[in-house]
Amino acid sequence: GAVVSQHPSWVICKSGTSVKIECRSLDFQATTMFWYRQFPKQSLMLMATSNEGSKATYEQGVEKDKFLINHASLTLSTLTVTSAHPEDSSFYICSASSPGTGSTDTQYFGPGTRLTVL
Amino acid sequence: SQKIEQNSEALNIQEGKTATLTCNYTNYSPAYLQWYRQDPGRGPVFLLLIRENEKEKRKERLKVTFDTTLKQSLFHITASQPADSATYLCALDMSGSSASKIIFGSGTRLSIRP
Repeated sequence: GAVVSQHPSWVICKSGTSVKIECRSLDFQATTMFWYRQFPKQSLMLMATSNEGSKATYEQGVEKDKFLINHASLTLSTLTVTSAHPEDSSFYICSASSPGTGSTDTQYFGPGTRLTVL
Repeated sequence: SQKIEQNSEALNIQEGKTATLTCNYTNYSPAYLQWYRQDPGRGPVFLLLIRENEKEKRKERLKVTFDTTLKQSLFHITASQPADSATYLCALDMSGSSASKIIFGSGTRLSIRP
């Protein structure tokens, strides 16, 4: 149980285009989802926290107009990287948590999406 | 601000030995601390959670300790196997409330040689 999927697993796009990444909780309802980015050999950096039906809370230094997050349902959150640039190339990982998974403090992570901007 | 240090970027040990990884934090003690495993190109997988009032937690060959005086957690893998090779991340709760934010350490890349 507590499986989180991401789509796509990898994407290559041209500079200036927008890319949407989906995060789904497959067997539980996720009241809260988190979005992280990870550069090579570095740790996960939290970008934003989203609760279903409300606006996302962004971490300091993360541009909310560039990284659009929508958490429209209890099983789906999306991250859209707008006007992507090569420096946005990274590994994007989502996680989800919910009281129904047995522990309110445990986050279940998706497999990640590798974004490469040319 | 809270800082997390995993003081070994890489650890290489012989199969069968016990691997011990360290996680230190600098400021306030978190309500809980977690350990995750991450394989290359994959998302982290939750392993263990230990709360501030717990000294030790075990799960099969894994053991985690939490010393709020030393501001340190130790993560042990006993009878290590090559399949245990991965990056291990510690993460701290940032607020103490449910579904709270966590921050990650930089990870320790563990290699178990046959």
